[in-house]
Amino acid sequence: NAGVMQNPRHLVRRRGQEARLRCSPMKGHSHVYWYRQLPEEGLKFMVYLQKENIIDESGMPKERFSAEFPKEGPSILRIQQVVRGDSAAYFCASSPGTGPRETQYFGPGTRLLVL
Amino acid sequence: AQKITQTQPGMFVQEKEAVTLDCTYDTSDPSYGLFWYKQPSSGEMIFLIYQGSYDQQNATEGRYSLNFQKARKSANLVISASQLGDSAMYFCAISNTGGFKTIFGAGTRLFVKA
Repeated sequence: NAGVMQNPRHLVRRRGQEARLRCSPMKGHSHVYWYRQLPEEGLKFMVYLQKENIIDESGMPKERFSAEFPKEGPSILRIQQVVRGDSAAYFCASSPGTGPRETQYFGPGTRLLVL
Repeated sequence: AQKITQTQPGMFVQEKEAVTLDCTYDTSDPSYGLFWYKQPSSGEMIFLIYQGSYDQQNATEGRYSLNFQKARKSANLVISASQLGDSAMYFCAISNTGGFKTIFGAGTRLFVKA
């Protein structure tokens, strides 16, 4: 049973470009979460999605960031017009359900570097 | 709002000894989950252990055990018989009642000495 997959593992963008980060959840998992980790910090929640629906995006910056989880295909975190402050590790996690007892399983992360 | 506090930025332990990583939390939810994750230098997040707020017994998973003291709102991770491969960042986390917004602490970096 493959784990959560993220690609690319490393992404370099120049300021003003767009970054697209992909996440394929574990088989059987319909709940996807995105987190951001700045250097030497813990993970910060960004957004929670189920298939075709954004459930909670309270941790997502209001501008330039968007996320989707289409009926078919991976979840996408999209960052438009990237700035240096967007440089971070972005982790995707998935779970089969939701609730305080559900464990979220993490992908390997995408390291975004903005030059 | 929920909060996780890890007061030890770094810890050293001798190989084969036990070590305790501290974690305290704050929440007003009656039902919550507590998690520990390991992040080695390669960067991935590895799930270690889970404790539910209503669980009567402390969770154990191999060499990992969770010392859960609900009244004190602490959920310390105990690693027994430390190994060199245990050197990593360790994050304590709490999930909200809805279960989707997991809040992470700042982490503790563990160094295992040979």
